[in-house]
Amino acid sequence: DTGVSQDPRHKITKRGQNVTFRCDPISEHNRLYWYRQTLGQGPEFLTYFQNEAQLEKSRLLSDRFSAERPKGSFSTLEIQRTEQGDSAMYLCASSPIGGTNYEQYFGPGTRLTVT
Amino acid sequence: ILNVEQSPQSLHVQEGDSTNFTCSFPSSNFYALHWYRWETAKSPEALFVMTLNGDEKKKGRISATLNTKEGYSYLYIKGSQPEDSATYLCAFYSSASKIIFGSGTRLSIRP
Repeated sequence: DTGVSQDPRHKITKRGQNVTFRCDPISEHNRLYWYRQTLGQGPEFLTYFQNEAQLEKSRLLSDRFSAERPKGSFSTLEIQRTEQGDSAMYLCASSPIGGTNYEQYFGPGTRLTVT
Repeated sequence: ILNVEQSPQSLHVQEGDSTNFTCSFPSSNFYALHWYRWETAKSPEALFVMTLNGDEKKKGRISATLNTKEGYSYLYIKGSQPEDSATYLCAFYSSASKIIFGSGTRLSIRP
């Protein structure tokens, strides 16, 4: 396993379209996180899974956003009716079972551009 | 409102020079502080995990210190090299399981 992977790396879409991103965490990691980073800002927490359970959601995650992790392995983040303000880098991270100090391993991100 | 600030926002340093930058975070409810290096088109890479007041960590030419009582951490790079060019992010982890990133310091090394 070479690390956390995300697909696609880049996505350009028109306003109003739906998009879905995928994250494959490191295989033995049971925790998975989604973040969003906009220009000039640090990553902002969106949501967190432990196995298949979504344990926490940020207020940033509007009802147009939905995240799933159906089998406790890969996760998807869907944005419906995209808006220009959704343009950002979407980062996924995972952390191991029993990990301390919140060590997280990041993927390379999916850069979304909404035109 | 929890806020994590990094300064400066960007830094241009001559190759061979040493440099440092700052991460300021809330001094209450501290659990851990992470430093990450993020090179363009790559994944953020963890540099240090710091948990105790007075912690000092070192990895090669890069080191970091932590002061949880006053709420700051310094990252030092000695003898900067072109491969050090990246954005350096700090992340504050609170005891309430909140994770807040700073906006990063973008470091450019001039050959």
